[in-house]
Amino acid sequence: DVKVTQSSRYLVKRTGEKVFLECVQDMDHENMFWYRQDPGLGLRLIYFSYDVKMKEKGDIPEGYSVSREKKERFSLILESASTNQTSMYLCASSSGTGSYEQYFGPGTRLTVT
Amino acid sequence: GENVEQHPSTLSVQEGDSAVIKCTYSDSASNYFPWYKQELGKRPQLIIDIRSNVGEKKDQRIAVTLNKTAKHFSLHITETQPEDSAVYFCAATPTDSNYQLIWGAGTKLIIKP
Repeated sequence: DVKVTQSSRYLVKRTGEKVFLECVQDMDHENMFWYRQDPGLGLRLIYFSYDVKMKEKGDIPEGYSVSREKKERFSLILESASTNQTSMYLCASSSGTGSYEQYFGPGTRLTVT
Repeated sequence: GENVEQHPSTLSVQEGDSAVIKCTYSDSASNYFPWYKQELGKRPQLIIDIRSNVGEKKDQRIAVTLNKTAKHFSLHITETQPEDSAVYFCAATPTDSNYQLIWGAGTKLIIKP
């Protein structure tokens, strides 16, 4: 079974703090994704990575950056957290070898106060 | 770029009745259409998918149909049960996608006892 884990289920941070969300997958997947999920807005792509050190912006990259130094790990960074970044953050991975299926982590509920 | 619209946003059906959720897409070159189910507090998981060379696919009580001419696809759930209550997301793959999925906004399915 594919296992995608995220560093925290719940996180509370203050405005202006630098926040790191980590995602790890154990299936040697090529592609990794960071989404933000808000009620009524579905899954919005922040960034994705199709190889180590490779990244592409998604639909809402402003205020975020990412890092993928190792194949299994994909980090989302909020450079200076703001209250409008309070949300559920979901990480996903896919094999990239002819399969589009994305496997999701359990999510991190981030609250910025 | 690809755009996916999903309707309805909320669907309430009596237990035992059928439920149908519809999605339309804009890029005629899209070739893969998955459906994900997200139960309350859990991660999204793939429940069924269809490729553009197939018109219909079934798996027990769920089925997906694809109309390439009209550029829409639908999820059909028959004999609904309480455990079908969840948010359902459709998605499509755009051309040159790097394995991205473009997501619909989601449908909250409520099964009434």
